[in-house]
Amino acid sequence: QVTLKESGPALVNPTQTLTLTCTFSEFSLSTSGMRVSWIRQPPGKALEWLAHIDWNDDKLYSTSLTTRVTISKDTSRNQVVLTMTDMDPVDTATYYCARLAYCGGDCYSRGAFDLWGQGTMVTVSA
Amino acid sequence: SYEVTQPPSVSVSPGQAASITCSGDKLGDKFACWYQQKPGQSPVLVIYQDSRRPSGIPERFSGSNSGNTATLTISGTQAVDEADYYCQAWDSTTVVFGGGTKLTVL
Repeated sequence: QVTLKESGPALVNPTQTLTLTCTFSEFSLSTSGMRVSWIRQPPGKALEWLAHIDWNDDKLYSTSLTTRVTISKDTSRNQVVLTMTDMDPVDTATYYCARLAYCGGDCYSRGAFDLWGQGTMVTVSA
Repeated sequence: SYEVTQPPSVSVSPGQAASITCSGDKLGDKFACWYQQKPGQSPVLVIYQDSRRPSGIPERFSGSNSGNTATLTISGTQAVDEADYYCQAWDSTTVVFGGGTKLTVL
């Protein structure tokens, strides 16, 4: 069974850097066509896409967060890592990793997130 | 930046059809997908590529996309369908989510 699981600190101080890890099973980011994104959701609010990485190490970032966010992968550990600098209370949210699928040959128009992790809640507060 | 807009809430009686819209400039030229999210749970994909259902999603969920509007329709709505629904599309190499619609089954 394919699973994804997020891990990281539940509480970070303002201005600190957040590092989150997505560990997945039953698929590999070394396999052609595999892609994983990070998505967040502030309490009571909508989903917001943050970043994306694929098997070829191509990366995409939200235009509003591109200066603060970095995504990377450790293929040997089946992990994708998100770092976000200069954390602020408005960054308080549940952070999800999700697998992109159903690409039909063009992920960046057809792709949808078929599997999601359980999410990890991050609170930014002093 | 590209935006898609959803109504904040939709109400439906059990057994009736519910329609949730997602509007964006020439959205019909893109592909839309839909996620269901129940309280305290992760989103679940219910429609991809405008109208396709992933394995395991009931047939009462359907989708369409034309002009500036994508629509998720739930026929014969059940109490278990009460949830938040989000549309999603790609704009160039950026993922865009709608603001979400709370579906209430009265």
